[in-house]
Amino acid sequence: NAGVTQTPKFRILKIGQSMTLQCTQDMNHNYMYWYRQDPGMGLKLIYYSVGAGITDKGEVPNGYNVSRSTTEDFPLRLELAAPSQTSVYFCASSPGPGGPQHFGDGTRLSIL
Amino acid sequence: AQSVTQPDIHITVSEGASLELRCNYSYGATPYLFWYVQSPGQGLQLLLKYFSGDTLVQGIKGFEAEFKRSQSSFNLRKPSVHWSDAAEYFCAVVSNRDDKIIFGKGTRLHILP
Repeated sequence: NAGVTQTPKFRILKIGQSMTLQCTQDMNHNYMYWYRQDPGMGLKLIYYSVGAGITDKGEVPNGYNVSRSTTEDFPLRLELAAPSQTSVYFCASSPGPGGPQHFGDGTRLSIL
Repeated sequence: AQSVTQPDIHITVSEGASLELRCNYSYGATPYLFWYVQSPGQGLQLLLKYFSGDTLVQGIKGFEAEFKRSQSSFNLRKPSVHWSDAAEYFCAVVSNRDDKIIFGKGTRLHILP
């Protein structure tokens, strides 16, 4: 069982570049989430989705965009990378709002 | 504002000793409560959850947690820790009113041999 798969695992970007972090899940979960994790700060919710075609902002959405065209996929887009976006990004999914979240292994992103 | 507080950033215990990690929340509605564990370089793994009913919940790896409404707490406990329990632990709440998810900042557990 793959669960939640994130690609790439590591990436280095230059300031101003753009990229898409991929996330896919094979559990048919309706809810999907993107978090960033910074040392000593816990996880901050960037965006989430309660189903295909529906997305909503979390706590720290600025500088990011998402889409949810299918149940399985929830990509996160950085349009103009900034050093403040250096972080570890986690994607998660859950069957519902109260359901336990299943996490991917993360993408470590550095902006130089 | 809704919040989750884990008062201890780091905790060190000896192998075989008991453990309690603290978590306090502030939510208007009755929340769903979770504890997750994160090993280095890994994503988060669910240890246990509380939705309703019995306030003492059992989880994986020998962990348990007790929901105390009067104290707005959901502390994680283990009677005897193992070296493999060294990790970071996150408390999380989900409001069953607006689906918002809030994680605490985490407690890093260190185990002395």
